[in-house]
Amino acid sequence: AQSVTQLGSHVSVSEGALVLLRCNYSSSVPPYLFWYVQYPNQGLQLLLKYTTGATLVKGINGFEAEFKKSETSFHLTKPSAHMSDAAEYFCAVTYSGAGSYQLTFGKGTKLSVIP
Amino acid sequence: DAGVTQSPTHLIKTRGQQVTLRCSPKSGHDTVSWYQQALGQGPQFIFQYYEEEERQRGNFPDRFSGHQFPNYSSELNVNALLLGDSALYLCASSLVGAGSRAGRSNIQYFGAGTRLSVL
Repeated sequence: AQSVTQLGSHVSVSEGALVLLRCNYSSSVPPYLFWYVQYPNQGLQLLLKYTTGATLVKGINGFEAEFKKSETSFHLTKPSAHMSDAAEYFCAVTYSGAGSYQLTFGKGTKLSVIP
Repeated sequence: DAGVTQSPTHLIKTRGQQVTLRCSPKSGHDTVSWYQQALGQGPQFIFQYYEEEERQRGNFPDRFSGHQFPNYSSELNVNALLLGDSALYLCASSLVGAGSRAGRSNIQYFGAGTRLSVL
């Protein structure tokens, strides 16, 4: 069974400060990992993904994440927060084996950006 | 290129009623998944349809059923609505089927959702 834990249901940062959103996963087979962003009253938008290959992946809007197998982590970072980054962020996992259809999501982290 | 579209955007029903939600996948995609997102929670997988059949199902009762049409669009039906069914229902599409390996992807693209309120 796979699962995702997002540490911190709410994170506040100042505009221009580093953004760090934490995600740890549990998967018995090699995972595929994703970060999605959800703005109020909207669906989910894919920020970035890790499937295979380079463990540092870059996404849209200046976000990046690093897959660390030894730590079972996939933390999301952005060097400098912008007001428009205020939203809810979801980490999700699926796996590469046959039958790996569903995404399992964490409970989400709401990011607030303080001017 | 149209993305994933869902209808209606909002819906209000009363307990015991039945509801049908609709989804059109992103152009070129052949697979549709449905998720339920309760307030303050992450999305929960309901089921996935491929080749007009349910391929995998999450931990949801039989009151939740679905259908996929030959044009890959999909419907989610919920019978005997409960107050606890109030949620945002998200549809996601992907290209997972047979064919070029390069075309396969576990990447799911989401629609804006249908917000269902059960009174």
